[in-house]
Amino acid sequence: AAGVIQSPRHLIKEKRETATLKCYPIPRHDTVYWYQQGPGQDPQFLISFYEKMQSDKGSIPDRFSAQQFSDYHSELNMSSLELGDSALYFCASSYRQGASEQYFGPGTRLTVT
Amino acid sequence: AQTVTQSQPEMSVQEAETVTLSCTYDTSENNYYLFWYKQPPSRQMILVIRQEAYKQQNATENRFSVNFQKAAKSFSLKISDSQLGDTAMYFCAFMKHEANSKLTFGKGITLSVRP
Repeated sequence: AAGVIQSPRHLIKEKRETATLKCYPIPRHDTVYWYQQGPGQDPQFLISFYEKMQSDKGSIPDRFSAQQFSDYHSELNMSSLELGDSALYFCASSYRQGASEQYFGPGTRLTVT
Repeated sequence: AQTVTQSQPEMSVQEAETVTLSCTYDTSENNYYLFWYKQPPSRQMILVIRQEAYKQQNATENRFSVNFQKAAKSFSLKISDSQLGDTAMYFCAFMKHEANSKLTFGKGITLSVRP
């Protein structure tokens, strides 16, 4: 079965640079969630989208922005990167109608040096 | 706001034995979901088991079962016949019973299965 795809899997950036993370949800899934997991931490919710509209917003820095496109893929744009942004970024997808489960992608490991 | 608490940072169990991981939560919601996710060294987040708050029957998935105590806001995971592949970080998570609701995770517990 198709799973959530995230690209790139690994990304190394320098401070003050920008990064773009991509997420391709499971086919027919209309909702995308982004989570950030710092070293030794639990995943923290950043933002979610349903049918290309922002659905909910968590502890996402103003330096970050995200959107969902017409094909339901989503991109997380991160600017003015800081050392503290180094983390594993998960994308998860779900199908709104009656589904409670979120299916996680493999994550993008971002390292800021 | 919802909170999820996992007070045990680490546990260890002998292969083939049974272990129970604890989780408590706090919410004013009456209807919600609770989950246990497994995160092995690969860092992939894998759904282990799901419980719907309005169902009194405890969920079971093969060797994994939960003890859901709604009044006590307690949600523990029992792993029977522990296997080496069960070695991982385990996260308890809460989700409102609403469309597009986010997951709120506990801090996690590191489980080691000894051969």
